[in-house]
Order: sequence, then C-alpha cells, then structure tokens
Amino acid sequence: QTVVTQEPSFSVSPGGTVTLTCGLTSGSVYTTYYPAWYQQTPGQAPRTLIYNTNIRSSGVPDRFSGSMLGSKAALTITGAQADDESDYYCGMLFMDDGKWVFGGGTKLTVL
Amino acid sequence: EVQVVESGGGLVQPGGSLRLSCAASGFMFNNYWMTWVRQAPGKGLEWVANIKKDGSEKYYVDSVKGRFTISRDNAKNSLYLEMNSLRAEDTAVYFCARSHYGDNVWGQGTTVTVSS
Repeated sequence: QTVVTQEPSFSVSPGGTVTLTCGLTSGSVYTTYYPAWYQQTPGQAPRTLIYNTNIRSSGVPDRFSGSMLGSKAALTITGAQADDESDYYCGMLFMDDGKWVFGGGTKLTVL
Repeated sequence: EVQVVESGGGLVQPGGSLRLSCAASGFMFNNYWMTWVRQAPGKGLEWVANIKKDGSEKYYVDSVKGRFTISRDNAKNSLYLEMNSLRAEDTAVYFCARSHYGDNVWGQGTTVTVSS
C-alpha cells in the first residue's frame, strides 16, 4: 500500500523561506499524480493552496509555490508570515484506482 | 460565490446509519467531480470517496468499502454520503469538496460521532 510521506514538523523564521516536501514510501512522485497542497489551521476547513503540482488556487498569494524536487513534490513559502503557522497537507491522485491519498501533514511553526 | 455546505452529522450508536448531505451553489454542479474527506479528532485528512460528474464512477477508501455509498443528484445540486454499519473509528469531521484535479473548494464540515 502506497503511503504519502511528509515531514512531521518544520519551523521557519518570520520573513524566511521554507520548503516542505511530499514523497512516497515506494517510488517517485510524478506530475501525473496531480500533487496538491492544502493549508489548515485548527478548527477550520482546509484551504487549497496549490494543485496540479504548481498551479496556485484562486486567491492564493504568490509567495506560495509548488514544484517537483527530485522524486518529491514540494511546497515553498517565501517570506513566511506569522499567519502561515498551520498544518500543511499534500494529496495525490492515483488514477489507476481513482483514489486520492493525503500525507500525514506537516506542522509549520513560524518563530 | 462558490460554496458547498454539509449537513446531517450527529451522534449515532455503533452499527447505526447516517446520511450526510452537501448542498452546492455558485457553480455548475454537474461539471465537477465531488469528494468526501474526513478528519478524526487530532488526526490528519483522510480521503473517503469521490464521484464523477455524472455519477457513473465512484471510488472509496478501503476502510469504508461496502459500508458507505456516495451519490449525487445533479438536478438538486446535492452530494450525499450514506453511511451504514458505523464504527467508532468513523468518528470525524466530514468535509464535502468540489474537486478539480486537487483544486478543492471545501465546506466547513459536519461532525459525526459514533459512540454508545
């Protein structure tokens, strides 16, 4: 069974740059998995940041960007702000069986 | 405004049933796949099921196969999740989402608690 992996936690200084990654326990991430990134603060619904590897969802500021980094998908936050402190989830679509799988999430601290 | 609003959550005993609904507005409902995602207390997101635009294809996470049924009524701009044989581990906030290759528009969620 494929498991999507993310760093459990990360910290960044205000104004700094951080890159979160999303991989697989077996094999590489491909753009055909349509990797997406979601932001969630406690008690709130998720918010879509990036979809289809590197397309920003409507209204998302350009300091959030998606890319491929080697065998993984990546989310980069440039100029981190205090309200970026959230949980970040990646998700991928495995079209062979029509299933989405989420990673376990990365808790980002801005301090 | 594009919006999806869930309803139907509540407290149910183990083995019981519940039907969640999701009302969509502000977009052409029959142009989009729709998805249910859940989040157990203190845990991460878990994809539950999705359904094609015309309802002809449905997919489920293994843990709910045979117990949950996703459906939609395009005439009513509504998505449903019929949940049977509920277990304690189904306790979660259930989110409805409009899906487009991961570009999800999310609802605020409805809480399902399975407990005796």
